[in-house]
Amino acid sequence: AQKVTQAQTEISVVEKEDVTLDCVYETRDTTYYLFWYKQPPSGELVFLIRRNSFDEQNEISGRYSWNFQKSTSSFNFTITASQVVDSAVYFCALATTSGTYKYIFGTGTRLKVLA
Amino acid sequence: DGGITQSPKYLFRKEGQNVTLSCEQNLNHDAMYWYRQDPGQGLRLIYYSQIVNDFQKGDIAEGYSVSREKKESFPLTVTSAQKNPTAFYLCASRGGQGRGNQPQHFGDGTRLSIL
Repeated sequence: AQKVTQAQTEISVVEKEDVTLDCVYETRDTTYYLFWYKQPPSGELVFLIRRNSFDEQNEISGRYSWNFQKSTSSFNFTITASQVVDSAVYFCALATTSGTYKYIFGTGTRLKVLA
Repeated sequence: DGGITQSPKYLFRKEGQNVTLSCEQNLNHDAMYWYRQDPGQGLRLIYYSQIVNDFQKGDIAEGYSVSREKKESFPLTVTSAQKNPTAFYLCASRGGQGRGNQPQHFGDGTRLSIL
């Protein structure tokens, strides 16, 4: 079975706090891809990052960082020094070869950053 | 600018009526997708197409139909058989000729409601 779990339904933080969004995935495929998307109130999904199963190197992009750990099947997303503009719903997604690269989405985490 | 255009932004359906949601992309992507998003939930795949003149059912295809006569266009028809059509509909496309490592790009969505 292929599955993505985002256990945090909603998180509220005060501006400038750091926040980590959790993503746990399940797949038996050895080749797969993980993605994070941001959905602001306007509705469209904005691509943030892609990671393949052979690359466990963590990545940092400005205030965003991602921690990929195959041992725990997790791909967590951290926002450092959060800002009000970070308020959105964040989705984690999995694409696998056996799934013909269709996305399996988690249910999303709503992040509220309070001024 | 390259991107995905969904229209209309808001749509209202009467009982027993079929309605068609438009999705056009100028990214020269082969694959296109339709998702449904309900409040507080993740995205569920309705239909997808990996090439012109070919499409497959997703997880919740009942009550929906699609066509893929042109590479740029992937319209979704919500038929009267779909008894609970009120939702936010997102169209996406993906390049990479079937390889799963390319991210999907999303349109701004269409919000469908029943009158």
